[in-house]
Formats: sequence, C-alpha cells, structure tokens
Amino acid sequence: GENVEQHPSTLSVQEGDSAVIKCTYSDSASNYFPWYKQELGKRPQLIIDIRSNVGEKKDQRIAVTLNKTAKHFSLHITETQPEDSAVYFCAAPSGSARQLTFGSGTQLTVLP
Amino acid sequence: DAGVIQSPRHEVTEMGQEVTLRCKPISGHNSLFWYRQTMMRGLELLIYFNNNVPIDDSGMPEDRFSAKMPNASFSTLKIQPSEPRDSAVYFCASSLSGTLQAPQHFGDGTRLSIL
Repeated sequence: GENVEQHPSTLSVQEGDSAVIKCTYSDSASNYFPWYKQELGKRPQLIIDIRSNVGEKKDQRIAVTLNKTAKHFSLHITETQPEDSAVYFCAAPSGSARQLTFGSGTQLTVLP
Repeated sequence: DAGVIQSPRHEVTEMGQEVTLRCKPISGHNSLFWYRQTMMRGLELLIYFNNNVPIDDSGMPEDRFSAKMPNASFSTLKIQPSEPRDSAVYFCASSLSGTLQAPQHFGDGTRLSIL
C-alpha cells in the first residue's frame, strides 16, 4: 500500500511570508495528489490538487509542485495571512484504488 | 448544492452502548468513505464503498465496527458495543469515481465521546 510522509509537523511563519509543506509517497503508480485544509473543529476541505501529467498548479496564493521522479510533492502558500492558520494534509491514492492515504498533517500558524 | 451530510454532529454515550453514525453522500457520487480522526493516529480510512458495495474494510478496527450502504444516498457506521477508545471524530466523505482519481468531499463529522 501507499506510504505518505509529511513534513514539517508544525510550521510558524510571519504574516506575509511564504510557507512550504512537503510530502513524499512510495507508490510510483500514484497519479493524483490533493491537499486539504482543516480548521480547528471543522472538516477537511480540498484546497488544491494536481495530477501526474503536470508539474505545477497554481490557484491565487496557493501552488502545488510535483516531482514524480523523486516521488514528492509540495504545497506553497505565498503572502500568508492569519486565516491561513490551520492543519494541512497531503494525500496520495493507494495505487489503482480509489482510496487516499493521508499524511500526518502540518499545523501552520501565521503570526500577525 | 448540499454537501455530505452527517448525523449526529455530537454523540456522548456510555461504554457498552450501541452507536450509529449516519451519512448522506453528495447526490450522484458513487464512492463513499468512512474515516476516523484522532490526535494519536491522524486521519484513518475505516471502510470504502463503491456503487454501494464495500470494497475495502481493512481499516475497520475490529468486529465491533460494522458499516452498511443500503442505497446510493445513505450509509451507516455502527459500533456495538462501544468502548472509551472509540472516542474520536468520524468523518464521511464521498466522491465521483471514474477512470481518474476524483476529489473527496468531507462531511462536518460526528464527534463521538464514549464515557
């Protein structure tokens, strides 16, 4: 099955700075990589995803990069704001199956 | 559009009691997932249905846990008998699975406390 490792577990940045969260995966057949944001007491919400036929995808202040050779993908948040403070999870599919294996999460704190 | 709907939002009960969690997936979605979230183990997949059929229940912790999906718009996760270590937030998620992997959309979760 898939093994997803996520780093760092906690990240504090000053408002306006950039934040980067990295994940590695083990199954070379994985072809879809979503990122979820979970605010305290709320549900995980999809914020961006990328498929293996592209190397980068952007949506306003959020971007995801994928390196299939090295089997890692990263979430980049630019111009961070206090409302970006949350736990962020990466995920990868279990091979050809429809389920996702989630990383252990990164607690991002944006300091005003 | 209505998202994934879970009930109840909170459940507090004594150990040994039966607990039933309910989920209504997004209309038209054909895959449904039950997750458990705890501080210690993070987000764990318990069971996954595709077209109402259980595909992978390897994440179900033990025989006290069971899940059903009698139709495309309803699923239940049952714990009988419940134990304090079952306390967690249980999420249901759904997706429209086809040839390509599809995003999963989560419900608001059920916060379960077993005393």
